[in-house]
Amino acid sequence: GDSVTQTEGLVTLTKGLPVMLNCTYQTTYSPFLFWYVQHLNEAPKLLLKSSTDNKRTEHQGFYATLHKSSSSFHLQKSSVQLSDSALYFCALRTGGYKVVFGSGTRLLVSP
Amino acid sequence: DPKIIQKPKYLVAVTGSEKILICEQYLGHNAMYWYRQSAKKPLEFMFSYSYQKLMDNQTASSRFQPQSSKKNHLDLQITALKPDDSATYFCASSQVRGDTQYFGPGTRLLVL
Repeated sequence: GDSVTQTEGLVTLTKGLPVMLNCTYQTTYSPFLFWYVQHLNEAPKLLLKSSTDNKRTEHQGFYATLHKSSSSFHLQKSSVQLSDSALYFCALRTGGYKVVFGSGTRLLVSP
Repeated sequence: DPKIIQKPKYLVAVTGSEKILICEQYLGHNAMYWYRQSAKKPLEFMFSYSYQKLMDNQTASSRFQPQSSKKNHLDLQITALKPDDSATYFCASSQVRGDTQYFGPGTRLLVL
């Protein structure tokens, strides 16, 4: 069935370093992916969503590229800030327009 | 002004009791959802509604019953509460099913 895999449960980094949070998916339908971010004691909110194959989408310094060849939509940022510490969810829109969320990756940025 | 209202913000219940979690959205969206978040499961999809019709139900237990009295309302009734039901329950909505979802602030439920 349709699924999303986020391999890292926790990523810890020092501020200023680059980050990549992994997201791979499985679907038999045309994929449409989202990244949601949830800060502590807040609700999840959309960070960015996919465009066409191999096209990069960006928002607030984060970027991701949908690669259908590798079924991936990894989230990246060139220089993380303390305020980026949060829980990040990758989500897949499947056939029938159901959305499946990954298990989440917690990013902790230290000074 | 908040666009998605969830009431109450916090809720303490005793085992075996019944509670209703309220969700109202003022975004003009046609799809609404319920999610549960706990230490065990970071974000667990429960239900989705589209134009007031149940589309997806991922909740094994019949103790959880969504109720849609109006297009912009999707309440969640939970019966025979158990301590394991303790979690934060998020309501969300999207323009149409499968579109970007907007989450409410959540109801934090504690079952003693």
